Amino acid sequence: AQSVAQPEDQVNVAEGNPLTVKCTYSVSGNPYLFWYVQYPNRGLQFLLKYITGDNLVKGSYGFEAEFNKSQTSFHLKKPSALVSDSALYFCAVRDIKLTFGTGTQLKVEL
Amino acid sequence: DTEVTQTPKHLVMGMTNKKSLKCEQHMGHRAMYWYKQKAKKPPELMFVYSYEKLSINESVPSRFSPECPNSSLLNLHLHALQPEDSALYLCASSQGQVGEKLFFGSGTQLSVL
Repeated sequence: AQSVAQPEDQVNVAEGNPLTVKCTYSVSGNPYLFWYVQYPNRGLQFLLKYITGDNLVKGSYGFEAEFNKSQTSFHLKKPSALVSDSALYFCAVRDIKLTFGTGTQLKVEL
Repeated sequence: DTEVTQTPKHLVMGMTNKKSLKCEQHMGHRAMYWYKQKAKKPPELMFVYSYEKLSINESVPSRFSPECPNSSLLNLHLHALQPEDSALYLCASSQGQVGEKLFFGSGTQLSVL
């Protein structure tokens, strides 16, 4: 079965600093990997996806993710965090269905 | 139109009530999904419809009954729910191909008293 793991329940970062939200995956074959963000009491918003091609994927709101096959990782990154980035972030893997990691709460402080 | 619309946004029901959640999309997507999400937890897949046919049922109790009247609409009929069924219910749609992203609605926050 395909799965993703998010090792950190919460990440705190100061505004203006770079941020990283970690994700590792376990798949057979080529992975279809996604990042979604969820603001309080809202649905999930798509940030970016990796299917094949460049290992650095650029997405919405200045986010990017780096696919690393040797480390089976797909970490989400942003060069300069904003307070408005504070939200719950989910890594996910897709075959027939979309399966989510446990989520990482990002808190960006002034 | 790139939206998935869910109604109602909030619902409070008793354990003997019958209610329905509705979901609509006009993106021409052929796959539609119901997810259940508890606070601060990842969404859990309940049902998948592909080309208006139920393709995945993740062993969901029969008190939840999905319906796909046409390619744009998805309903979730609720009957005799339990308090532990209180959650955010999310609808999503996609083109149905492996690797395609899902578009999510804002959800229905359900409270069962």
